[in-house]
Amino acid sequence: EPEVTQTPSHQVTQMGQEVILRCVPISNHLYFYWYRQILGQKVEFLVSFYNNEISEKSEIFDDQFSVERPDGSNFTLKIRSTKLEDSAMYFCASRASTGGTDTQYFGPGTRLTVL
Amino acid sequence: GQSLEQPSEVTAVEGAIVQINCTYQTSGFYGLSWYQQHDGGAPTFLSYNALDGLEETGRFSSFLSRSDSYGYLLLQELQMKDSASYFCAVRPPTGGFKTIFGAGTRLFVKA
Repeated sequence: EPEVTQTPSHQVTQMGQEVILRCVPISNHLYFYWYRQILGQKVEFLVSFYNNEISEKSEIFDDQFSVERPDGSNFTLKIRSTKLEDSAMYFCASRASTGGTDTQYFGPGTRLTVL
Repeated sequence: GQSLEQPSEVTAVEGAIVQINCTYQTSGFYGLSWYQQHDGGAPTFLSYNALDGLEETGRFSSFLSRSDSYGYLLLQELQMKDSASYFCAVRPPTGGFKTIFGAGTRLFVKA
């Protein structure tokens, strides 16, 4: 069964450093997402991406964040200058189409620790 | 704005039926989804209601009433492995595919 994959599973970085989180969505999916989940809290929407551009972003997704789909398979989230409060689990998700259901398939997540 | 309210915790015994409610305040949305998340795991899609009424998928059912701004997830024949967090989620009609999750309900299933 196809699945969303993410690398790395755990990233430790120093405050102020840049990190890139990588995702490979399910191959025939058209809509891509990044979410953040601070330990014990709810899943927070960061950004959605469709047709090679950002379709919507949350207030969390400020100028420090960017996304890219550099080729036909990868989908990346870059944080330019990490802050302590960026420590969280980051999930990538993908969805096939708009019709019928909003089913999103989540990757296993990358745990980001900012020291 | 949009907000989704869920109970923080629910406890039930193995074999029982449990209902997890989700009430929302939002100007509109395309449908109500439910996700399950085990500790340390990723959210996994369970069910989706585009229209009012009951959707059944095996032991799990979900219900939506737009007029009452209310939905629920019903879990039957509870098993220990159902111990997890359950999130309701909506996609508001903002045109950009944003999804809003509730705070989640932690379900504890006891023997």
